[in-house]
Amino acid sequence: KAGVTQTPRYLIKTRGQQVTLSCSPISGHRSVSWYQQTPGQGLQFLFEYFSETQRNKGNFPGRFSGRQFSNSRSEMNVSTLELGDSALYLCASSPEPGLETQYFGPGTRLLVL
Amino acid sequence: GENVEQHPSTLSVQEGDSAVIKCTYSDSASNYFPWYKQELGKRPQLIIDIRSNVGEKKDQRIAVTLNKTAKHFSLHITETQPEDSAVYFCAASKTGANNLFFGTGTRLTVIP
Repeated sequence: KAGVTQTPRYLIKTRGQQVTLSCSPISGHRSVSWYQQTPGQGLQFLFEYFSETQRNKGNFPGRFSGRQFSNSRSEMNVSTLELGDSALYLCASSPEPGLETQYFGPGTRLLVL
Repeated sequence: GENVEQHPSTLSVQEGDSAVIKCTYSDSASNYFPWYKQELGKRPQLIIDIRSNVGEKKDQRIAVTLNKTAKHFSLHITETQPEDSAVYFCAASKTGANNLFFGTGTRLTVIP
């Protein structure tokens, strides 16, 4: 099976802009979670989607949002970008939520100037 | 919410020696504990995981132990090799949730 894929892999934006990142889970996986990775804060949970519904949300401002489509693909959006949003954004998929191994995608590296 | 602490932050060992990384968690409801290895510029990859109904799990040179009473779990790598050099993350989550709470990572360097 193909692994988790994310697009784009790299992105440069300026403050105030918005960005949309995409994640395609492993075929058959219906749960997608998003994480932000920075040198200072490490790996932090953003949100989790299953069956097109957000099930959990981490401690991030409302500028961070996401959605999941009927084919389990997911997108996350960050509006009004700030310098501190520069990070590696990782998505992970699993067959179902809870006690299932999560497989990570390669990430999207976002640089905000 | 859950808080996962990980030690040490850096670890250097000679090739062939063992490496041990320790994590503690705060939420007694957590019952799933994966370990991920992340090489420079690459995605985190699961290397081993343990569920709370098990005290120890081994996979070749890698083992994980869990002490639910003390709320800590450890990763043991024996006969280390240079290709084991990477950042290792522990994590915790609980039933029905896919939100992993990660430790801060341990940079392991295996010296040939």
